[in-house]
Amino acid sequence: ILNVEQSPQSLHVQEGDSTNFTCSFPSSNFYALHWYRWETAKSPEALFVMTLNGDEKKKGRISATLNTKEGYSYLYIKGSQPEDSATYLCASNTNAGKSTFGDGTTLTVKP
Amino acid sequence: ETGVTQSPTHLIKTRGQQVTLRCSSQSGHNTVSWYQQALGQGPQFIFQYYREEENGRGNFPPRFSGLQFPNYSSELNVNALELDDSALYLCASSRDGGLNQPQHFGDGTRLSIL
Repeated sequence: ILNVEQSPQSLHVQEGDSTNFTCSFPSSNFYALHWYRWETAKSPEALFVMTLNGDEKKKGRISATLNTKEGYSYLYIKGSQPEDSATYLCASNTNAGKSTFGDGTTLTVKP
Repeated sequence: ETGVTQSPTHLIKTRGQQVTLRCSSQSGHNTVSWYQQALGQGPQFIFQYYREEENGRGNFPPRFSGLQFPNYSSELNVNALELDDSALYLCASSRDGGLNQPQHFGDGTRLSIL
């Protein structure tokens, strides 16, 4: 992996469904992995920052895991609600101070 | 606590012109990063300023330059504007280099090049 890649590009789920997305990143020179939620007409909002292999973070119904050796992170949303509809971005920071974002996963939750 | 503010909100320029975008960081933050976001893509890292010094740069040409002031506010300057420079420009502030600190984003400046 040379760039940060997110999958799927978009996702449509029903209210109450649980869902997850993937962020793949270069494992060399890795320093930190960030997840953001970006709602339409708002600015990106920080969800999690993870640095250690095996890290797990949780915020309400949203959680994330990190595998720095294989270069991936998963974001999980349990019991999706319409207000979870947004684009979810991940960004990988290297120890040289460079930040690389993926193109995001756009989640739409239908009532 | 004052959040990150960017100005102007929208801007229209023509090819070859120069533009300056401004960003006021959140209080207590000494690090500012700038990003360019084209439609349908994630933000692309332009550069970061930490305590008034450039602290990392993405793959952008030298006509993209910046400054950070003693109050940690920042400017992004783009010379010789090209049509492809049309994008949303985001500024984000954080503490202490921001590598493992959450970034707080402004609402962005929408730049259109005619």
